[in-house]
Amino acid sequence: DAGVIQSPRHEVTEMGQEVTLRCKPISGHNSLFWYRQTMMRGLELLIYFNNNVPIDDSGMPEDRFSAKMPNASFSTLKIQPSEPRDSAVYFCASSRGKEQFFGPGTRLTVL
Amino acid sequence: RKEVEQDPGPFNVPEGATVAFNCTYSNSASQSFFWYRQDCRKEPKLLMSVYSSGNEDGRFTAQLNRASQYISLLIRDSKLSDSATYLCVVIRYGGSQGNLIFGKGTKLSVKP
Repeated sequence: DAGVIQSPRHEVTEMGQEVTLRCKPISGHNSLFWYRQTMMRGLELLIYFNNNVPIDDSGMPEDRFSAKMPNASFSTLKIQPSEPRDSAVYFCASSRGKEQFFGPGTRLTVL
Repeated sequence: RKEVEQDPGPFNVPEGATVAFNCTYSNSASQSFFWYRQDCRKEPKLLMSVYSSGNEDGRFTAQLNRASQYISLLIRDSKLSDSATYLCVVIRYGGSQGNLIFGKGTKLSVKP
């Protein structure tokens, strides 16, 4: 199995631009999670889906952030407009039990 | 008070040493506990679950103390490859599988 796949691995953009992060979960996993990791705040859950349905988005920082999961094999996290404080590593994880399997992350830098 | 707290370290130890990390959690409703390992610039990966009776996996031993609300990880005979950040993870249920709360991690550096 290829594991959780995320793209892009690195993204550098300018403030105000739209950013779209992509995730392909492990086949057969029914839950998908988006996290953000910074030195200051550690790893924070942004949103998670169960069977493609958003269950808890209370971690989404503000309306500039949105996430979709149109099918079981694909999810996106969009930031529009991006701000420098959004700079972080964004991880996608999937699971079908208690253990979560993380993707390699997208390192986002907003200038 | 943060829900899961860990000493950030770093813990600098020589090869072969025994090192222990503690983690405290504030929500007594927490029901499942784990240690994840994160290498530099990599994703977190599950190291081991933590059971009330304590559990061991090779050189690693995890303990849970519900009364005092802390979790520990003991690494014996540490190797250079153990250098990483160790994340304490707590799940509190309430119908939400997403209630996985991560500590900020304890950094371990094993030196030759």
